[in-house]
Amino acid sequence: NAGVTQTPKFQVLKTGQSMTLQCAQDMNHEYMSWYRQDPGMGLRLIHYSVGAGITDQGEVPNGYNVSRSTTEDFPLRLLSAAPSQTSVYFCASRRGESQPQHFGDGTRLSIL
Amino acid sequence: TQLLEQSPQFLSIQEGENLTVYCNSSSVFSSLQWYRQEPGEGPVLLVTVVTGGEVKKLKRLTFQFGDARKDSSLHITAAQPGDTGLYLCAGLPSSRLTFGEGTQLTVNP
Repeated sequence: NAGVTQTPKFQVLKTGQSMTLQCAQDMNHEYMSWYRQDPGMGLRLIHYSVGAGITDQGEVPNGYNVSRSTTEDFPLRLLSAAPSQTSVYFCASRRGESQPQHFGDGTRLSIL
Repeated sequence: TQLLEQSPQFLSIQEGENLTVYCNSSSVFSSLQWYRQEPGEGPVLLVTVVTGGEVKKLKRLTFQFGDARKDSSLHITAAQPGDTGLYLCAGLPSSRLTFGEGTQLTVNP
């Protein structure tokens, strides 16, 4: 049981490039979320999904897109990378609304 | 503005000391969770508190949920270097699990 798997673990981009951060979970969880973590800012919610085909915006959605075509996968797309998007990105999943959240190990993204 | 305010932001203590970390909000939460995060890893759930006034113990860690379900505290007794980490509270005002800024705890031997 792998839990929540994020790829890549590290990435360096140039300003203006696009990329997709991958997230997969094998626990059949309905809820999935993307967070970014910056020093002194805690974890801020980017986008989340309460089931396949359903997504919604979190606190800081601008510059990011998501889709949820399957229960297992929840990719995060950066459309045109900006230095302000340099951060550590965490994907998480949980079975239901008040259930424990399981996190991946994070993707460390630097944008030059 | 953070929905959940944690204090203190940083805490450095000696092994054996006691400490309390606070998580406060003006909003009511259906439940509050506490996580611990170590460098290079994702947060890991410690406990969920659901009922106002609830107290849960996890070895030397005691978690309390405020009567009005707007705040919570984490008390560690006789802290050890292995307790070092970032402690995060998270609440559910809706489907969106929202995190506080975290308390970075360092326990020195």
